[in-house]
Amino acid sequence: DAEITQSPRHKITETGRQVTLACHQTWNHNNMFWYRQDLGHGLRLIHYSYGVQDTNKGEVSDGYSVSRSNTEDLPLTLESAASSQTSVYFCASSESEGVTDTQYFGPGTRLTVL
Amino acid sequence: AQSVAQPEDQVNVAEGNPLTVKCTYSVSGNPYLFWYVQYPNRGLQFLLKYITGDNLVKGSYGFEAEFNKSQTSFHLKKPSALVSDSALYFCAVSLWDTGRRALTFGSGTRLQVQP
Repeated sequence: DAEITQSPRHKITETGRQVTLACHQTWNHNNMFWYRQDLGHGLRLIHYSYGVQDTNKGEVSDGYSVSRSNTEDLPLTLESAASSQTSVYFCASSESEGVTDTQYFGPGTRLTVL
Repeated sequence: AQSVAQPEDQVNVAEGNPLTVKCTYSVSGNPYLFWYVQYPNRGLQFLLKYITGDNLVKGSYGFEAEFNKSQTSFHLKKPSALVSDSALYFCAVSLWDTGRRALTFGSGTRLQVQP
């Protein structure tokens, strides 16, 4: 069955280190998204991509970067981890860019920055 | 800018009773509304969405939602709650914003169904 996976599921790192979170989908969806989930804020968009070589900033993109070299993967990199980036990170994908299209989510990565 | 409000942090209901999880929205154009559910240590799962047409939308696991344009609401409902419905529920609104599709989530409502 098609799915979307994230790895690692849990990560503890230190302030200042570079961290990369992986996201892989097998639906062949063009669109992929990264969100962070914090108590009281719901989910907030970090970065998104509408296809290979396309990346765009979301509402909370500072300190994060993404690259899209193929359809299946959108890794999220924290260039220099900060304690404020302790959060749960979700990757999502959708088939089209339309406003009515449903996004499907991965299981999440819990990141702790000490 | 669009926004979504879920006024209740937590809703408690007894098993077998009807449940309602509230959501109100604020958008400048046509609202496209979604409900997602999150079980512990899991990702968000799609429940249902309102695009256009019938104001009562039916979704997965027996859930439905009623779109009310005059009250700008999209409340999630279920006629008879199950203990297994206990989870975190998110309402979201989708529209075009500065040239891109934006999906804005509410802060979530925790549903507790007591046996």
